[in-house]
Amino acid sequence: QQQVKQSPQSLIVQKGGISIINCAYENTAFDYFPWYQQFPGKGPALLIAIRPDVSEKKEGRFTISFNKSAKQFSLHIMDSQPGDSATYFCAASNGGAGSYQLTFGKGTKLSVIP
Amino acid sequence: DAGVTQSPTHLIKTRGQQVTLRCSPKSGHDTVSWYQQALGQGPQFIFQYYEEEERQRGNFPDRFSGHQFPNYSSELNVNALLLGDSALYLCASSLMNTEAFFGQGTRLTVV
Repeated sequence: QQQVKQSPQSLIVQKGGISIINCAYENTAFDYFPWYQQFPGKGPALLIAIRPDVSEKKEGRFTISFNKSAKQFSLHIMDSQPGDSATYFCAASNGGAGSYQLTFGKGTKLSVIP
Repeated sequence: DAGVTQSPTHLIKTRGQQVTLRCSPKSGHDTVSWYQQALGQGPQFIFQYYEEEERQRGNFPDRFSGHQFPNYSSELNVNALLLGDSALYLCASSLMNTEAFFGQGTRLTVV
C-alpha cells in the first residue's frame, strides 16, 4: 500500500524560528516529492518540490532535505513568520510531476506566534 | 489567468442523492485530477482524466465517476451519496510532467 507518513501533526514556532516537518515513504518507485501549503478555505498550493537525484533544494526561506536511503524527506522553513501559519502537506508520486497521482501525508498544522 | 476554477463552492445534499461537481483547468493544461479531502486529512486521489479518458483511478467505489470534455474541463459525479462523502473535493490540473495546480475546492455536505 502506498503511504506517506507525516509528522508532527501540529507545530508551534516562535516568529523567526525554524519550522521542521518530516515525511517518510514506503514506495521506492516514487520519484517526485512536493510540499503543499494550504490555508483555510483554499486549495493546496505548491511550495517546493524535489526529485531523488538531489539531496537538498532551497527556494527562499524553504528548503527540502531528501534522504533516499532512509526514504525520508523534510521541509525546513527558516525565519518563520506569522503569515506562514497554515497546514503543510508532503506528497509523493511516481512517473512525473503532474502526470500521475499524488499520495499525500495527513498534514501538519503550523502556527507561528509573534 | 484564472487558474483552476471549481463550481459550486459549497453544496448541501441529502443521503441517497446524486451530485455533479465541475472543474475548469488552468489555461493550457490538458490533464485533470480529482481529490477528496476529509476534514483534518490530506487529499486522497479519486481519478485522473487525460484526452477525455480516465487514465488512473484511486481506491474509490464505482459511485464516483467522471468525465472530461473536449475543452479539457471535467465533471465529478457521485451517486447514492453517503454521510461519509462529506468532504472538500479538489480539482487539480496539469500539463504532462509539470506541477499540478489545485482549485479552491467544492465543500460537499451530505445530511
